[in-house]
Amino acid sequence: NAGVTQTPKFRILKIGQSMTLQCAQDMNHNYMYWYRQDPGMGLKLIYYSVGAGITDKGEVPNGYNVSRSTTEDFPLRLELAAPSQTSVYFCASSPGTSGSWSTDTQYFGPGTRLTVL
Amino acid sequence: DAKTTQPPSMDCAEGRAANLPCNHSTISGNEYVYWYRQIHSQGPQYIIHGLKNNETNEMASLIITEDRKSSTLILPHATLRDTAVYYCIVRSEAGANNLFFGTGTRLTVIP
Repeated sequence: NAGVTQTPKFRILKIGQSMTLQCAQDMNHNYMYWYRQDPGMGLKLIYYSVGAGITDKGEVPNGYNVSRSTTEDFPLRLELAAPSQTSVYFCASSPGTSGSWSTDTQYFGPGTRLTVL
Repeated sequence: DAKTTQPPSMDCAEGRAANLPCNHSTISGNEYVYWYRQIHSQGPQYIIHGLKNNETNEMASLIITEDRKSSTLILPHATLRDTAVYYCIVRSEAGANNLFFGTGTRLTVIP
């Protein structure tokens, strides 16, 4: 299994541009997440999904959109890039079968480093 | 919200056991202790988790005190590739946003 994969690894955007960060998992996990990590800081949850067609906001959703049309894929869309969105973005997935948030182990992808100039 | 306290940094000699402590004095009865690590700029890597019993897997051991107010992650034979920031996380039933990465412990394995 490749686990959680993310593309691209690096990207530079100009202010106002749009892009989609791709995330895919091959573990047949039900739940998927998007986080951002600013330099020297912890991870902050942007959006998450508990299944195809179901998404919900996390702690910092403004400026982002998501969709989940399949179990495997969970793309993150930036519509009007701003310098404040310069960050490293991590996608994660978890089985979502334990019936408990406290025991649902999340597995992370390698990240996308985004710079907005 | 941070519910754990970890030393900011530790050193360990290569080949020796690395013992990383974590205090979680306000942990509730149904909250689990999770450990992740993050090797420079990579995605966080799951290591181990537990509720009240000691746990062991191929990567590490987790020792939780009887009162559950603290725990220790043990890497039995540290290698240079174990150099990373290690995060101790208490996970509640609060929902999806329950994986709080604080500042962690930066472990440096020395040759």
